[in-house]
Amino acid sequence: GIQVEQSPPDLILQEGANSTLRCNFSDSVNNLQWFHQNPWGQLINLFYIPSGTKQNGRLSATTVATERYSLLYISSSQTTDSGVYFCAVEGTSGSRLTFGEGTQLTVNP
Amino acid sequence: EAGVAQSPRYKIIEKRQSVAFWCNPISGHATLYWYQQILGQGPKLLIQFQNNGVVDDSQLPKDRFSAERLKGVDSTLKIQPAKLEDSAVYLCASSWSSGNTIYFGEGSWLTVV
Repeated sequence: GIQVEQSPPDLILQEGANSTLRCNFSDSVNNLQWFHQNPWGQLINLFYIPSGTKQNGRLSATTVATERYSLLYISSSQTTDSGVYFCAVEGTSGSRLTFGEGTQLTVNP
Repeated sequence: EAGVAQSPRYKIIEKRQSVAFWCNPISGHATLYWYQQILGQGPKLLIQFQNNGVVDDSQLPKDRFSAERLKGVDSTLKIQPAKLEDSAVYLCASSWSSGNTIYFGEGSWLTVV
């Protein structure tokens, strides 16, 4: 099946800093989603982005499908951004939506 | 619009006992997913339904896990008998159709002792 690799595994920031999270995948995809899992375990969908660029407030994401990676940008980070960020992809061969291992983000006040 | 509902939120059982989790997806969503998330790992798909038919159950341990989606709406995931390694969060999710944005419930936390 498709392989998903996220980096970095852990990231610690001061409030107000910017960050970039990366998701590499091993095959062509027709579905890529970014999620935030808050400290209480709730998974929130941030972006549906199999290609191109999207922005939502302080968050934006870019997927370069031809090069098999996606980036999630967080600007002016806040303590409420803390949690785990997951990338999930589905290959064009129709495989299941596969999650990476996540990036644990901690934003300190 | 109501989100994905799951119950119970927390369950502690002894090994070899049984447990069942219930999920009510977002109204109108044809695709329903059950994921297992072990602490420190990403969610792993157990089973995917399209309406009341199974699309993918290749990672479901069928000797102990079963799931059904009656009438294409609510779904139940059962574990019998439970093992210690089944301790995890069981996440239900739904989407309009396969390949669309998926929405998760709050999860059911299972501890097997």
